[in-house]
Amino acid sequence: DQQVKQNSPSLSVQEGRISILNCDYTNSMFDYFLWYKKYPAEGPTFLISISSIKDKNEDGRFTVFLNKSAKHLSLHIVPSQPGDSAVYFCAASSGTYKYIFGTGTRLKVLA
Amino acid sequence: DAGVTQSPTHLIKTRGQQVTLRCSPKSGHDTVSWYQQALGQGPQFIFQYYEEEERQRGNFPDRFSGHQFPNYSSELNVNALLLGDSALYLCASSLTSGVETQYFGPGTRLLVL
Repeated sequence: DQQVKQNSPSLSVQEGRISILNCDYTNSMFDYFLWYKKYPAEGPTFLISISSIKDKNEDGRFTVFLNKSAKHLSLHIVPSQPGDSAVYFCAASSGTYKYIFGTGTRLKVLA
Repeated sequence: DAGVTQSPTHLIKTRGQQVTLRCSPKSGHDTVSWYQQALGQGPQFIFQYYEEEERQRGNFPDRFSGHQFPNYSSELNVNALLLGDSALYLCASSLTSGVETQYFGPGTRLLVL
């Protein structure tokens, strides 16, 4: 049972444009959500997080939006840069210490 | 400030053997979690250690065990290796106060032949 789903395995975006990565979840008990970026041969790098009491969190070029009624979150990257090309994972937690990860979306930013 | 470190980076074992993977948490962190990432999948939670005790466990068999030392470093042990144990093993550290962000190490890639 996949509680966290990233339905787009890949996404290509032109440099300078907006990248939007999506994530859906099924467990209404999740109260903390995160996005990680992963380059090949490296561990996931924390990007941004959001608590369920908020609907938006912004950090520089990265913004995460949370729609609790739709059980959906998205990561916006503006403007996209070639160095953003990586696999992006969303993760969720219900205060039980463990993170549940999606299967990832591979972002390719074209120069 | 050193981040999370893991050793070894790569490892090749044969079926039935045992393996030990090591992790040093980020400076100031006292909690260590272990994840398994199979090819094409997201990381899956194995267990978490705090105060030298296993605090929570994911859906992994007893062949997977761990340990945390007084300096907060941790080991993951896998016995009776199966081909399906081939994966990237990730260690993440965090502070125990509340729900804190977990920071990951580079991982150990294990290949079981």
